[in-house]
Amino acid sequence: AQRVTQPEKLLSVFKGAPVELKCNYSYSGSPELFWYVQYSRQRLQLLLRHISRESIKGFTADLNKGETSFHLKKPFAQEEDSAMYYCALSGGAGNMLTFGGGTRLMVKP
Amino acid sequence: NAGVTQTPKFQVLKTGQSMTLQCAQDMNHNSMYWYRQDPGMGLRLIYYSASEGTTDKGEVPNGYNVSRLNKREFSLRLESAAPSQTSVYFCASIGGNSPLHFGNGTRLTVT
Repeated sequence: AQRVTQPEKLLSVFKGAPVELKCNYSYSGSPELFWYVQYSRQRLQLLLRHISRESIKGFTADLNKGETSFHLKKPFAQEEDSAMYYCALSGGAGNMLTFGGGTRLMVKP
Repeated sequence: NAGVTQTPKFQVLKTGQSMTLQCAQDMNHNSMYWYRQDPGMGLRLIYYSASEGTTDKGEVPNGYNVSRLNKREFSLRLESAAPSQTSVYFCASIGGNSPLHFGNGTRLTVT
């Protein structure tokens, strides 16, 4: 069975502070991991995927297979980063995605 | 190219009423999904369709039925709505190497 855990429901930081949103997973095969973001009153959208190894809006995430983690990081948070963030894992038939419970990031001025 | 379109955007039902949530995608994606989003629970998969003509249960299928009418459309039906089905429902689709594309969501309240 595949499972994604985001231990923090809410993360509050000040503008300019570093941010790390935690994500741990369990999966028996080789996972594909994603971070999705939902800004206020908008649809969910892909932020980044581990196979791309890219930085989007200053965010990066590294897949650590030893620790089964895919934490999302940004060195200097901005107010516009305030949103709901979901970690997701792809596996099984039909590219089924399993989502974590989500972390709400609040960046205070 | 509209992406994933869901209707309606809002709906209020009384317990026991039925309704169908519509979803259509114009990206020629094979796989389509229905999720529900609840506070603290994240997104939970209700049903999915890996390809036209097939449907499978997800994590929380009880109380729901789905129909993959054709490659474009994947509807979700509540035969007898219950207050526990109050939620925000998202349809999504994926194909090839593309990421999961979500619709704007349907906010359903069951009283």
